[in-house]
Amino acid sequence: QQPVQSPQAVILREGEDAVINCSSSKALYSVHWYRQKHGEAPVFLMILLKGGEQKGHEKISASFNEKKQQSSLYLTASQLSYSGTYFCGTEKGGKLIFGQGTELSVKP
Amino acid sequence: DAGVTQSPTHLIKTRGQQVTLRCSPKSGHDTVSWYQQALGQGPQFIFQYYEEEERQRGNFPDRFSGHQFPNYSSELNVNALLLGDSALYLCASSLGLADYNEQFFGPGTRLTVL
Repeated sequence: QQPVQSPQAVILREGEDAVINCSSSKALYSVHWYRQKHGEAPVFLMILLKGGEQKGHEKISASFNEKKQQSSLYLTASQLSYSGTYFCGTEKGGKLIFGQGTELSVKP
Repeated sequence: DAGVTQSPTHLIKTRGQQVTLRCSPKSGHDTVSWYQQALGQGPQFIFQYYEEEERQRGNFPDRFSGHQFPNYSSELNVNALLLGDSALYLCASSLGLADYNEQFFGPGTRLTVL
């Protein structure tokens, strides 16, 4: 079952904050977050694991609510380089099921 | 430290033909997963190889097959190409099969079927 992301798209001015949400109808064991710029490969941002463990970049924060089967990615003080499509992926044994993506545009 | 590499970068084929895409994993990684990404969509999991065996498979027909070699590199084969197979094919490598291992993606192969 594909996770559902919201919003589908968001436009920010530099310095503004954004939250991207990822919901699943199935129990989540881990949630992976990736960013993909146009014409490029997805780049790993963060993994959140059941039990609260996280692996990822220091400047990116995220939450994982196991009971609600949701994860949220928090982008603070956005920079132009944050622009791209953000994907969440739910994983079982290495098989990543990605959401449809959230397109983020940061304007000067 | 070489990242994930894929070849070719672009490929144009006609319906009914067969295609082989190649992937070399990041140094030290032993697991390769293949994804299909249609325009404007998220990557769709095709299958995963570990220890030269297909370990998991997504909802793709048998026309999609693969192989992993002893050096951990991998191939994706697609037979009897359809127009709908046109997409970006991404290879991702990781270490082992654990849920908490990040996957590193290659630049992809853009396949166009005419």
